[in-house]
Amino acid sequence: DTEVTQTPKHLVMGMTNKKSLKCEQHMGHRAMYWYKQKAKKPPELMFVYSYEKLSINESVPSRFSPECPNSSLLNLHLHALQPEDSALYLCASSQEGVGYGNQPQHFGDGTRLSIL
Amino acid sequence: AQKVTQAQTEISVVEKEDVTLDCVYETRDTTYYLFWYKQPPSGELVFLIRRNSFDEQNEISGRYSWNFQKSTSSFNFTITASQVVDSAVYFCALSEAGYGGSQGNLIFGKGTKLSVKP
Repeated sequence: DTEVTQTPKHLVMGMTNKKSLKCEQHMGHRAMYWYKQKAKKPPELMFVYSYEKLSINESVPSRFSPECPNSSLLNLHLHALQPEDSALYLCASSQEGVGYGNQPQHFGDGTRLSIL
Repeated sequence: AQKVTQAQTEISVVEKEDVTLDCVYETRDTTYYLFWYKQPPSGELVFLIRRNSFDEQNEISGRYSWNFQKSTSSFNFTITASQVVDSAVYFCALSEAGYGGSQGNLIFGKGTKLSVKP
């Protein structure tokens, strides 16, 4: 079982809906990440939180809004998404804050998002 | 610029065969880290190994082994006596040392899909 838990596992939403993806880890990790993965492609980094502060935003459209309520939780708020946003969204965490390249990232199972 | 190349898009083997997944990387840093991840159909990326640039010792873990060669900028992964459960997409990734900014972010290769048939 993964130590990074993501909910929901599947989500279907219309383009006008508002929904949120949730991620939780209890490993005491200080960095948390959101990735987007299209079929047959590697994961693409979206956001990084380090010590609960947004550290990296890889030019992600504003219809994706991350939030880190505390060191164990990471949310991704979705609004007015487009069909091309359909993908697997992966959450990950690593022990130290961002910038420590030697830290392996531990991933959740992901949320499969479909935009109608 | 950093780059990871996994030239093999798909590999298909029969159970019990040995298989090697290739990974070639590019970086200008002298200190960097290399990783392999496994992604089964369920979606989760499973961390397999980390190797730092100063440690060229090969590593073996059960049926898995890794061959790191700085001279050829390669970090290849071999599965011995493959099993159906090894079927997955395998990603090689590079991370550079440093503090702040984008250092430490994972640069992924495009992945190699391994199918092990019974």
